[in-house]
Amino acid sequence: AQSVSQHNHHVILSEAASLELGCNYSYGGTVNLFWYVQYPGQHLQLLLKYFSGDPLVKGIKGFEAEFIKSKFSFNLRKPSVQWSDTAEYFCAVTLSGGYNKLIFGAGTRLAVHP
Amino acid sequence: EAGVAQSPRYKIIEKRQSVAFWCNPISGHATLYWYQQILGQGPKLLIQFQNNGVVDDSQLPKDRFSAERLKGVDSTLKIQPAKLEDSAVYLCASSLDPRGGTDTQYFGPGTRLTVL
Repeated sequence: AQSVSQHNHHVILSEAASLELGCNYSYGGTVNLFWYVQYPGQHLQLLLKYFSGDPLVKGIKGFEAEFIKSKFSFNLRKPSVQWSDTAEYFCAVTLSGGYNKLIFGAGTRLAVHP
Repeated sequence: EAGVAQSPRYKIIEKRQSVAFWCNPISGHATLYWYQQILGQGPKLLIQFQNNGVVDDSQLPKDRFSAERLKGVDSTLKIQPAKLEDSAVYLCASSLDPRGGTDTQYFGPGTRLTVL
């Protein structure tokens, strides 16, 4: 069965530090990849997604992610975090050609201290 | 544009009781999803509707969970009878067109269920 692994459950950073959150998936076929974010008290919302083309994808609020097919990875990065980036981040996949069933990782809680 | 609406936001029940959740998707979205998110885990798809029809209910515990989507708009998810392990946040999401697997899903605020 397909699965998604997020390496870090909790990350604590100071403002201006760089961020990289790991995500790996297990599936032999073609996938579409997503990062969703949930800010405190808010809904889950899309940060960025990749389904084809340039494997470096840019999303909202300065986030980017790189798809490395050989490593089955889709890591999320931001060069300089802000206190407002404190949130829970979820990596997810759907199967290409499928019906949009999102398979989520367990999430990473990020706390950014001023 | 109005987002996905869910009610109630919180519900506390005792085990073996019944409970129902309601979802109103974004206008014009043909696809509606119900996810279960247990504390410390990512959301897990329970059921997916395309208009009135069920696309995927492979992870729905059908002995106690049921869902319907009347007239291809609103949806209700019911649990009868509830068990302690059903304590979770139930998320509703909607999207325009699920074909191909690239469509963005828009999530509601969720219903937090506590079963005592």
